[in-house]
Amino acid sequence: DIQMTQSPSSLSASVGDRVTITCRASQGINNYLVWYQQKPGKVPKLLIYAASTLQSGVPSRFSGSGSGTDFTLTISSLQPEDVATYYCQKYNSAPLTFGGGTKVEI
Amino acid sequence: QVQLVESGGGVVQPGRSLRLSCAASRFTFSSYAMDWVRQAPGKGLEWVALISYDGSNKYYADSVKGRFTISRDNSKNTLYLQMNSLRDEDTAVYYCAKPGSSGRYDAFDIWGQGTMVTVSS
Repeated sequence: DIQMTQSPSSLSASVGDRVTITCRASQGINNYLVWYQQKPGKVPKLLIYAASTLQSGVPSRFSGSGSGTDFTLTISSLQPEDVATYYCQKYNSAPLTFGGGTKVEI
Repeated sequence: QVQLVESGGGVVQPGRSLRLSCAASRFTFSSYAMDWVRQAPGKGLEWVALISYDGSNKYYADSVKGRFTISRDNSKNTLYLQMNSLRDEDTAVYYCAKPGSSGRYDAFDIWGQGTMVTVSS
């Protein structure tokens, strides 16, 4: 099975900083990669699918890139409401494995 | 508004069984594959199982294979997860999730609010 590895597992940044989270697949998954945001005590929310397509309603400061095995989620200017844990997930085939998550703090 | 509502969680002893339900509304349930995802307390998300739109194909995480069974009743717009031989490590919030398109695999655009399962003696 394909493993998904996220880094870092946590980070602390200041408001306005550019934040980058990476996700690596152990085998190529083309662009079948999604990013979710989960705020404390809340249900996960879809941010970006197909590696780089922004879900409707998601602020444009979020962006995704990558294909194959290496992917990146970028927050161009971190806002207080972005405090959350971010997960990547592959969805090219079962098992639809999640990365371990990246906790973002201010 | 598209909605998923889970039910059936609770406290259960190790080795016992529990069945979760997920009631879907305001979309054509019978056209979509559906998934279960769980999250242990303080831990990350873990994909559990997927069922195709017509129930003919089912896939499971290795951690639950042989113990859990995913099923659906399209006439009732309801997804199920039968959990047998429960273990302490099955303690988690269980979410049902809807893919964004009617293909077998897609990102989850709709999640239920989750139902808590606690396995404890």
